[in-house]
Amino acid sequence: NSKVIQTPRYLVKGQGQKAKMRCIPEKGHPVVFWYQQNKNNEFKFLINFQNQEVLQQIDMTEKRFSAECPSNSPCSLEIQSSEAGDSALYLCASSLTGNQAPLFGEGTRLSVL
Amino acid sequence: GDSVTQTEGLVTLTKGLPVMLNCTYQTTYSPFLFWYVQHLNEAPKLLLKSSTDNKRTEHQGFYATLHKSSSSFHLQKSSVQLSDSALYFCALGTGGYKVVFGSGTRLLVSP
Repeated sequence: NSKVIQTPRYLVKGQGQKAKMRCIPEKGHPVVFWYQQNKNNEFKFLINFQNQEVLQQIDMTEKRFSAECPSNSPCSLEIQSSEAGDSALYLCASSLTGNQAPLFGEGTRLSVL
Repeated sequence: GDSVTQTEGLVTLTKGLPVMLNCTYQTTYSPFLFWYVQHLNEAPKLLLKSSTDNKRTEHQGFYATLHKSSSSFHLQKSSVQLSDSALYFCALGTGGYKVVFGSGTRLLVSP
């Protein structure tokens, strides 16, 4: 079965701590997306990559997050200094092209205490 | 900018009844529309997709038709089941490697 693998499933951090999550995209998918799904279930786009290159990112991601998709290694998304408002489900998705529907992983649920 | 509007936050129905979940979009590009379903603590899963005007697409009893004239891609099912209780998201792609999601509709089906 096609699958996007995200680890860990759950992450608990204190305010000010770093929070790092990883994603292995579906094999052969060069495009990777990260979304934040808040408690109201709304999706916020964070960043996307094609192969190792950042295509687009929002201002918050640029200022507070560190993200990469190195070749032959999992992609990662790291919050440099966690805030309570960062508590959310972080979803990684991948696709073959910009026209295809992204395939989602199960997400990393971050709780910032 | 590109956007997707889902007008219903919550839809409650008795099983066996028909359902329509609304989705409209705004874009200046050629649109690709998707419906995703997300069950509790699971990944969003693709339910339907379309980029062809006025052509009905179907999967697992759900169907939708992209109407570019009205910028709509409403999701329908003729008879809902208990297992259809979930979050449903409409999403818009424009081929530019960014997919925009609507706010979601929670469907609750009761016995």
